[in-house]
Amino acid sequence: EDQVTQSPEALRLQEGESSSLNCSYTVSGLRGLFWYRQDPGKGPEFLFTLYSAGEEKEKERLKATLTKKESFLHITAPKPEDSATYLCAVHLPPQGGSQGNLIFGKGTKLSVKP
Amino acid sequence: SQTIHQWPATLVQPVGSPLSLECTVEGTSNPNLYWYRQAAGRGLQLLFYSVGIGQISSEVPQNLSASRPQDRQFILSSKKLLLSDSGFYLCALEEGPEGGAWGYGYTFGSGTRLTVV
Repeated sequence: EDQVTQSPEALRLQEGESSSLNCSYTVSGLRGLFWYRQDPGKGPEFLFTLYSAGEEKEKERLKATLTKKESFLHITAPKPEDSATYLCAVHLPPQGGSQGNLIFGKGTKLSVKP
Repeated sequence: SQTIHQWPATLVQPVGSPLSLECTVEGTSNPNLYWYRQAAGRGLQLLFYSVGIGQISSEVPQNLSASRPQDRQFILSSKKLLLSDSGFYLCALEEGPEGGAWGYGYTFGSGTRLTVV
C-alpha cells in the first residue's frame, strides 16, 4: 500500500533555531514529491516539487531535499511567521483507469516562538 | 495566474439535509479538478477528480457526489448529510496537458469548513 509518513507530528522551535522535517514514503512509482504550507483555516500553498533523488530546492529559509525513500524540509533560522503546518505529498502515476493523484501525509505542525 | 474560488467558507448543516459546495476557477482552461476532505488528525483524502466536463471519478465510496457542468466549475453534493461528513473540504486544480508541466503542483482553494450537527 502506498504510504506517506511525516515526522514529527508537531515541532516547537525558538526563533533562529534551525531544524528539519521528515517525509518518508513507500510508493510503487513516484512522479514527484510536493511540499505545501498550510495556515489554519486555509488551503495548502505550494512550496516545492522534487522529481529525483539528490535534487534540492530552496526558497527563503526553506530547503527541500529528496532521497529514494524520504524528503527533508530544512528550516534555517526560522521566524514566527514560518509557523504553519507543512504537508508532504507524493504524486503517483496513473494505474488502470485511475488518474494519477497526490497522496498526502498528515503534516507537521511547526510553531516558532519569538 | 490561476485562481480558485470556493464558497461558502463555513457551513453548519443538520443531519439529513442536502449539501452543495461550489468551486470555480479562473486563469486556466481544461484543468484537472479535485475535491479533497481534511479531517482533524488525518491527511488530505481525495474524494473526486475530474479531467473534463461531465467526467467524474470517485476515489472513495461515500455519501457524496460530484459534478462538473462547465469546464471551470466543480460541485460537491450530498442528498442527505451524515455526521461523518463534517470536515474541511478543499477544491484543487491542476493545469491540463496544454497548460504546461504538472509539476507546479496543485492550486488549492481556501476551503469550506462543514460542520454537520
